[in-house]
Amino acid sequence: GAGVSQSPRYKVAKRGQDVALRCDPISGHVSLFWYQQALGQGPEFLTYFQNEAQLDKSGLPSDRFFAERPEGSVSTLKIQRTQQEDSAVYLCASSLIGTDYGYTFGSGTRLTVV
Amino acid sequence: AQTVTQSQPEMSVQEAETVTLSCTYDTSENNYYLFWYKQPPSRQMILVIRQEAYKQQNATENRFSVNFQKAAKSFSLKISDSQLGDTAMYFCAFGLTGGGNKLTFGTGTQLKVEL
Repeated sequence: GAGVSQSPRYKVAKRGQDVALRCDPISGHVSLFWYQQALGQGPEFLTYFQNEAQLDKSGLPSDRFFAERPEGSVSTLKIQRTQQEDSAVYLCASSLIGTDYGYTFGSGTRLTVV
Repeated sequence: AQTVTQSQPEMSVQEAETVTLSCTYDTSENNYYLFWYKQPPSRQMILVIRQEAYKQQNATENRFSVNFQKAAKSFSLKISDSQLGDTAMYFCAFGLTGGGNKLTFGTGTQLKVEL
C-alpha cells in the first residue's frame, strides 16, 4: 500500500481482556518497529522485526506483550490481560533495509483500558 | 543508554515569525543521527529533518533548519516563516548508527502558530 496502515484506530478494552493490534507495512519494507506512546510523552521503542525475525524485543514492558510477523509482512502486537497502564497509542513504522531510519509511521492505535 | 530532553512543553509563535525549539541529548557514542519529527492530531509521525553526527554542516529543509552543537550535545530546530499548518507536537529523537535503527524520543514540544 501507499502507507503504513494500522487497525483498529481506536480500541477500548476492559481490564483483563486480551487485545490484538494490527500493522500493515509498506509493501517491500523489510524492517518493522512497534512503539508505545503514553499520553503527553514521546514514543518508546517496543520491538523490531527484520522480515519475520524478531531481532530486538528489549522494549516490551512485560511478558503480557507479544509481537509476531509470521510471513514477514503484516505484524500483530498482542497484549494479554490488559491493565490500565497499558492505555497508550501504539505506533507502527516500517522501512527498507539499509536505509538508516528511513521510517514511515502509521497513524497508530489508541488503546484505552477501562 | 541515550537520553533526549526537550525542556519546552509548549511554545507559541505568530504566523510568519521565526521560532526555535530546543533539544539536548546525552550519549557516549560518536556515530549517531538526530531527528525532528512532527506529530499533528492525526497522530502520524512525520519526519521534518535529520542530521548525521559526523556532518558539521547544519541540515536545512526549506523553512526548517537545525543548529547542531555536537560538543554541547544540543540540537535545536528553527522554523522560519511559521505557518498555521506547522501547529503540532514536535519531537526530537536520537538513533545510533547501525543500532537496529530504534529511536529514542524526547517528551515533545507543543507548538501553536497563531494569527
